[in-house]
Amino acid sequence: EVQLVESGGGLVQPGGSLRLSCAASGYTFTNHWMHWVRQAPGKGLEWVSRIDVDGSDAIYADSVRGRFTISRDNTKNTVYLQMDSLRAEDTAVYYCARCTWGPDFWGQGTLVTVSS
Amino acid sequence: DIVLTQTPLSSPVTLGQPASISCRSGRSLVHSDGNTYLSWLQQRPGQPPRSLIYKVSNRLPGVPDRFSGSGAGTDFTLKISRVEAEDVGVYYCMQLTQNPVTFGQGTKVEI
Repeated sequence: EVQLVESGGGLVQPGGSLRLSCAASGYTFTNHWMHWVRQAPGKGLEWVSRIDVDGSDAIYADSVRGRFTISRDNTKNTVYLQMDSLRAEDTAVYYCARCTWGPDFWGQGTLVTVSS
Repeated sequence: DIVLTQTPLSSPVTLGQPASISCRSGRSLVHSDGNTYLSWLQQRPGQPPRSLIYKVSNRLPGVPDRFSGSGAGTDFTLKISRVEAEDVGVYYCMQLTQNPVTFGQGTKVEI
């Protein structure tokens, strides 16, 4: 059974940092690109970042480029999102998603709150 | 960025009746490889997103066959042939043809 489990969310002050993790199981991790998508309270879905199978190619939304870094450790079946210089508008539930021809499995999400 | 416009934004439905959601793209979603990377997602209240359809019309395993996707180029549709109570939620279209990936605004389906 495919499982994606996010962790690492929490309350952080503006300007602070957090690292989110997404642990994958139940499939061959290295066969799939991975995405991070976020959802601010009461809002729609916003794509954040994507990484290819070996971590050599990563792309970002304009709203996070230069502040967030996506990476993966294929030995640990885990994808990460390092979030620096956090702003109030980064407050959201962050989901990781496995991608085949499109996203096919999603995690339950982890809440990030940026507030003083 | 490719803008996806969904209509309607809210859709009151009757159990057992059909429902339809439109997703219109500002540009063609045909990729240079010939595929069209348009997906449909469902988000039930309080739940994470769930993927229903990929590449316009391909249902993911476990998705009931009352859900169908169609369209080409810039115009796409998600249809529910007979709405059931469990179908209540917000539906999103999503394009992965061109970076950055973008979503429609979401369509709320309610009984």
